[in-house]
Amino acid sequence: GAVVSQHPSWVICKSGTSVKIECRSLDFQATTMFWYRQFPKQSLMLMATSNEGSKATYEQGVEKDKFLINHASLTLSTLTVTSAHPEDSSFYICSAAPDRSGNTIYFGEGSWLTVV
Amino acid sequence: AQKVTQAQTEISVVEKEDVTLDCVYETRDTTYYLFWYKQPPSGELVFLIRRNSFDEQNEISGRYSWNFQKSTSSFNFTITASQVVDSAVYFCALITYYNQGGKLIFGQGTELSVKP
Repeated sequence: GAVVSQHPSWVICKSGTSVKIECRSLDFQATTMFWYRQFPKQSLMLMATSNEGSKATYEQGVEKDKFLINHASLTLSTLTVTSAHPEDSSFYICSAAPDRSGNTIYFGEGSWLTVV
Repeated sequence: AQKVTQAQTEISVVEKEDVTLDCVYETRDTTYYLFWYKQPPSGELVFLIRRNSFDEQNEISGRYSWNFQKSTSSFNFTITASQVVDSAVYFCALITYYNQGGKLIFGQGTELSVKP
């Protein structure tokens, strides 16, 4: 079964509204989770590093006020796309690891966001 | 700086042909992991293999094999006797030991199309 669960898998929202995507580690505690974004026919680009109990670290060019990340517990990180616009339509996927070695990394199933 | 290059954007083969997907990486770190993932149209990332920088042994798993050569900074992936179900986008990725454990750097991806 899934070790990292992401929800929802598909979401359609109206332009101007906000949408929240959850990423849960099911079998382990993750002090760090990662959020990636993937446009059609493109690679996965890291958006931000979600740190439990502290602020997320955003990659260059990613608007922190638009993509709110909350990592309130050791098993849950959420990504909220605020005031969504059609250009935010994309595939969002999270990953988590039980330790910092990089030896084992688990990905969520991904979330398809369509903004209409 | 770390970088992963997959020069082949798209590859099309006929079923039962062998196909090799190239991956070249750059890093100054001596300790790192290399990964291959398969991404079917559903979007989910399927883990295929992880190789650490100290293990240059080639690996075979069924029809899949990987050739890791530190001398050329390459980690190529070969599918023998390809099947239609192998059609997907394949990503090569890199993580370095000191890189916040879990933060993957992806190549651009290679879209493999296997025709019957």
